[in-house]
Amino acid sequence: EDQVTQSPEALRLQEGESSSLNCSYTVSGLRGLFWYRQDPGKGPEFLFTLYSAGEEKEKERLKATLTKKESFLHITAPKPEDSATYLCAVSGGSNYKLTFGKGTLLTVNP
Amino acid sequence: SQTIHQWPATLVQPVGSPLSLECTVEGTSNPNLYWYRQAAGRGLQLLFYSVGIGQISSEVPQNLSASRPQDRQFILSSKKLLLSDSGFYLCACNAGQVQEKLFFGSGTQLSVL
Repeated sequence: EDQVTQSPEALRLQEGESSSLNCSYTVSGLRGLFWYRQDPGKGPEFLFTLYSAGEEKEKERLKATLTKKESFLHITAPKPEDSATYLCAVSGGSNYKLTFGKGTLLTVNP
Repeated sequence: SQTIHQWPATLVQPVGSPLSLECTVEGTSNPNLYWYRQAAGRGLQLLFYSVGIGQISSEVPQNLSASRPQDRQFILSSKKLLLSDSGFYLCACNAGQVQEKLFFGSGTQLSVL
């Protein structure tokens, strides 16, 4: 069974204080690893897909990296508007579902 | 790109009442469709998925059911709601390959009292 563990559960940063979120996974035959951002009361919003170890993707202040066992979401010089829950998910094997982690609640204080 | 319409945004229902949540998709044909539930501290839980009209796979045995009467319509139902059915329900779709990113609707917050 695919498993995804995200850490920390919650992270509080000061504006401009860079940090990283972790996503550890076990999956039979990784097809893709996904990062989403979710604001309170809204559906998750897609950020990145990573397909193979060593791959990196960037978008504004966010950078996602992937190894064979984990993924990191690096946040550089965050702003208060980056505050949200960040979700990690994996797809693997031959089924149609994604397995999600419980998320990391990021709060960026001005 | 795909757009997912999901309603209502908020719903308060008594225990034992029926439920019907509807989701429609625009901007794609023959999508894979999904119902997820998000409860506090549990993350996103896949309830049902469908790869075509009339084809429904259930992930979690419960008193909920799903139907796909049309290519881009997905319905979540219950005959009698339980307290444990409370949560944030999300409809999602992707283009057909499991490694394709999911697009999510705006969700329905269901409170069963």
